[in-house]
Order: sequence, then C-alpha cells, then structure tokens
Amino acid sequence: DGGITQSPKYLFRKEGQNVTLSCEQNLNHDAMYWYRQDPGQGLRLIYYSQIVNDFQKGDIAEGYSVSREKKESFPLTVTSAQKNPTAFYLCASSPGQDSYEQYFGPGTRLTVT
Amino acid sequence: RKEVEQDPGPFNVPEGATVAFNCTYSNSASQSFFWYRQDCRKEPKLLMSVYSSGNEDGRFTAQLNRASQYISLLIRDSKLSDSATYLCVVNARNQFYFGTGTSLTVIP
Repeated sequence: DGGITQSPKYLFRKEGQNVTLSCEQNLNHDAMYWYRQDPGQGLRLIYYSQIVNDFQKGDIAEGYSVSREKKESFPLTVTSAQKNPTAFYLCASSPGQDSYEQYFGPGTRLTVT
Repeated sequence: RKEVEQDPGPFNVPEGATVAFNCTYSNSASQSFFWYRQDCRKEPKLLMSVYSSGNEDGRFTAQLNRASQYISLLIRDSKLSDSATYLCVVNARNQFYFGTGTSLTVIP
C-alpha cells in the first residue's frame, strides 16, 4: 500500500522545545517537500529536497531544519528559534524528473504553548 | 504580487449547478499546472493536472490559457460531496506555488 505517512497526527509542545516531525514515503519519489498552512493562508514552502543528501530552503526556512539521509525519509525539526510554530505541517513528495504532480501526507497539527 | 491568485469565495451553489473557478499566475516560465481539493483540516488531494489542450475528468473540466496566464476549473452538476476548498497550484523551476484556495459549498 503505497503512500506518504506523517506522524504524529497531533503534537503538543512547550515553548522552547525542539520537535521533529516525521515524513516517510514508499512511492520511490525523488523529491520531497515540507509546507506549513495557517488558517486562511495558502501553503508556504519551508524546505524541499530533490535528491538524497541535498535540500534547499523554501520561503520560510528560518527556525526549521531538515535532513535527507534516505530517499524515503525527510524529517523536519521545528526549533525553538521558530517564532510562531503552531500550524498545520504538510509533507509532500513528487516523482521529480519530468513528472511534477505532488502527493501529500495527512499532515501534523503542531501546537506550541 | 503573489505568484498565484484565486478568488477566495465563498461560492455557495445549489446541487446540480455549474460553477467555475479561475486562477491567475504571475510567472510566465511556469511549466505545470494543477487543481487540488482540500477538505476541512485534511491534506490537499490532487484533483487533476491541467494541460494546454484542456482536459476533462467526468464532471470536471480544466483549461489553461498561457497567453493570459490563467487556469480555470469547471464543475458541472455539482454534488454535495464537491463541497471543499479548491487550490490552484503552479510549478515553476521545480517549485510549487499554491493559491490560497476557493471555498465551495454545495447546498441541498
């Protein structure tokens, strides 16, 4: 059963703590992406990776970090430097090359208090 | 100027109606175009890709006008289950740009 999984679905943290969101795909896609979505706003790109061991900053990378050690996995760490971390975080993957359709995981709702 | 702009709506239409959404994009180098559907508190799901020649999938028809840089989505014979937010997405240089979405509610 192919797809993208994100865990956990809901996450609560205290301010000042780093937290890592998981994203795994078994679609054999080259490209993976992290977005955040805030109420009434479109998706904003945090980081993306076109290939293993390589990634680029998106529009709002400050306060976030990622790694891409395996093709299947692209974890996102929300650090204490992120000023407003409470949001809906979405991971996506895309075959890359000549196919640009993106497929999303179910998302993680992070609440920081 | 935003990369992708959509009318946020909301569009409230009766069952069986035909409804059309438009979306404009600013980057003339954009290569690929998509419509996604997002239900409340869920992830976006790919509805259809948009090709230069236009394409149809059942009750849904998508059109692309490169000269005017806009994309459209037409939904015929609206169903209650079509109620959702519809996102216009554009790919340029391997990055995806999302509109803020157009909200549709189909009323019985």
